[in-house]
Amino acid sequence: ETGVTQTPRHLVMGMTNKKSLKCEQHLGHNAMYWYKQSAKKPLELMFVYNFKEQTENNSVPSRFSPECPNSSHLFLHLHTLQPEDSALYLCASSAIAEGTYNEQFFGPGTRLTVL
Amino acid sequence: AQSVSQHNHHVILSEAASLELGCNYSYGGTVNLFWYVQYPGQHLQLLLKYFSGDPLVKGIKGFEAEFIKSKFSFNLRKPSVQWSDTAEYFCAVNFPSGNTPLVFGKGTRLSVIA
Repeated sequence: ETGVTQTPRHLVMGMTNKKSLKCEQHLGHNAMYWYKQSAKKPLELMFVYNFKEQTENNSVPSRFSPECPNSSHLFLHLHTLQPEDSALYLCASSAIAEGTYNEQFFGPGTRLTVL
Repeated sequence: AQSVSQHNHHVILSEAASLELGCNYSYGGTVNLFWYVQYPGQHLQLLLKYFSGDPLVKGIKGFEAEFIKSKFSFNLRKPSVQWSDTAEYFCAVNFPSGNTPLVFGKGTRLSVIA
């Protein structure tokens, strides 16, 4: 248990569905992240939020829409996904001190399958 | 752009063999360095980290890593691996002066066979 929880743990959806992934951190951190982990590919950073403000969006398609209502919660809204979007989606959080991002704590991930 | 290279994609070792996984980064300034491990079906967790001080860092489960600034390297080592060390290992670098989050390497899969 790392203090970062993700729900659901598994999700199967059709290409026309709309779903949301949820992440919650109980560590008092002020930065949160979404990563995509696919088989045989490196960990891909998708979005970074620093004090609820999005600071990075690494060319992620608009069918992925993040939301960070507060520093403890992070959502990833999904709509009209493609089969190649099937992957493990990881949430992480970290503290930021004096502009430096410290070590990240990861959640268990949501295994997403798009049919 | 800053990058992290892990040269070994898949390493297969017998139990009790020694392990060294390579990690190199491309940045000439101050860095923070991390090794993460992901056991099968589990979340990524921190093995060890280096911010400053002694370049030989000891982590959990008998792992250690050495920061060699002149070689831009932070290799992970363990003198005697166990079957339970089978996992994926990720090197990550943080560039404090660049105000950037961690940059991860592609990962090295370690398979330990009995």
